[in-house]
Order: sequence, then structure tokens, then C-alpha cells
Amino acid sequence: EPEVTQTPSHQVTQMGQEVILRCVPISNHLYFYWYRQILGQKVEFLVSFYNNEISEKSEIFDDQFSVERPDGSNFTLKIRSTKLEDSAMYFCASSERDNEKLFFGSGTQLSVL
Amino acid sequence: SQQGEEDPQALSIQEGENATMNCSYKTSINNLQWYRQNSGRGLVHLILIRSNEREKHSGRLRVTLDTSKKSSSLLITASRAADTASYFCATESTGNQFYFGTGTSLTVIP
Repeated sequence: EPEVTQTPSHQVTQMGQEVILRCVPISNHLYFYWYRQILGQKVEFLVSFYNNEISEKSEIFDDQFSVERPDGSNFTLKIRSTKLEDSAMYFCASSERDNEKLFFGSGTQLSVL
Repeated sequence: SQQGEEDPQALSIQEGENATMNCSYKTSINNLQWYRQNSGRGLVHLILIRSNEREKHSGRLRVTLDTSKKSSSLLITASRAADTASYFCATESTGNQFYFGTGTSLTVIP
């Protein structure tokens, strides 16, 4: 079965550094998402992306965050200047149609020191 | 906030028993989905129920939706040790974003 792949699986960075989290959604999917989960807490919506632009974003997704689909396969999340509170598991997801089931990647565990 | 809230937060049962988890939400929805998460892994979609549906089955899973009470339940019948995981409901109303609840941690004891 096709799957969403995320790299790296773990990322350690210093506070203030930029990080880029990478995702390869399922190839025929059109809708892309980033979620995050702080350890032991709920899964929080960050942003949704369709037709090469952001369609929805949450309050968490401030100016420090950006997303990009640089080519036909990758979908990236960039955090410009990481803070300690950005430490979380970041999940990428994709769906074939609007408001249908999401396929999640295995996540990138980001640790900001 | 329209995020779903699951209860109980934690549930521990013996293998073979049924497990019931509930989800409540606050605003009108188009659909509601249930996902499962094994420790440290991504979420896996289990079942989607639309706002005009009342019940849906998939294998050992049964989901109900009561839009008048803004609640849903997930029933896992004849549970197995491999069902041990966290279960989340996710609601969608407008726009393509899904809001997840806090999850129910299910432990099935062999």
C-alpha cells in the first residue's frame, strides 16, 4: 500500500536554528497537511495545502513557519528560528480528496535544545 | 474550539472483551473520523462517518454518530492485545482541516 514518508525520523537542533522537515505524500494525493504532537498531548493541526497554496492554518502556524512544495513530490515544513516549545513530533499527512481520510507519515521527532 | 474530546482518557480491558470509546465535539460537522496511533508512530485511519449517517461498521469496529448530541462512539468487539493503542476522533466542518481530540489510551490485557 502506498505510504507517506517523512525524513528525518529524528532531528536535534539548537534554539534559534532553522529546520526543514521533509515529506513525500502519496503520489496521486492533492491535499497535504502538517500536524504536530507534543509528548502526551493532542494532535494539533498546523496547516493544510492545496493547489500550491495554503488553504487553512492554525494559530500555531505563525510567521516562523512556512510550507513549500518545491517539486512534484516533496512537501516541506520550515521553522525559521526554532524555540524550545517547538519540540514535538511533526506529522505530515495527505489525502486524495477534500475532507476524506488522511494518510499519515511516521513523523519527525524534533528536539530543540 | 471544535476539537473532539474523547472519554475515557484511559481504558484497560481483558482480551476478548469489548471496548467502547466516546467522542464529543462542539460545532456542526461534515464528517467524523476515528484514528488509531501506536506508541511513537503515525496515525492510522480506521473509519469515517458522515453527518447524515448514524452507524457504520468495519470488521470488529462499530461507529455511531449522534449529531443532535454532538457525540460519537467507537466500539471494538472481541478485543485483542494488538488493539492496544491510542484512539482519536477527528472532526471536520468547513475547510480542509481536521481537529483531533485528546485520545483514549486503550490497553488490552492478554
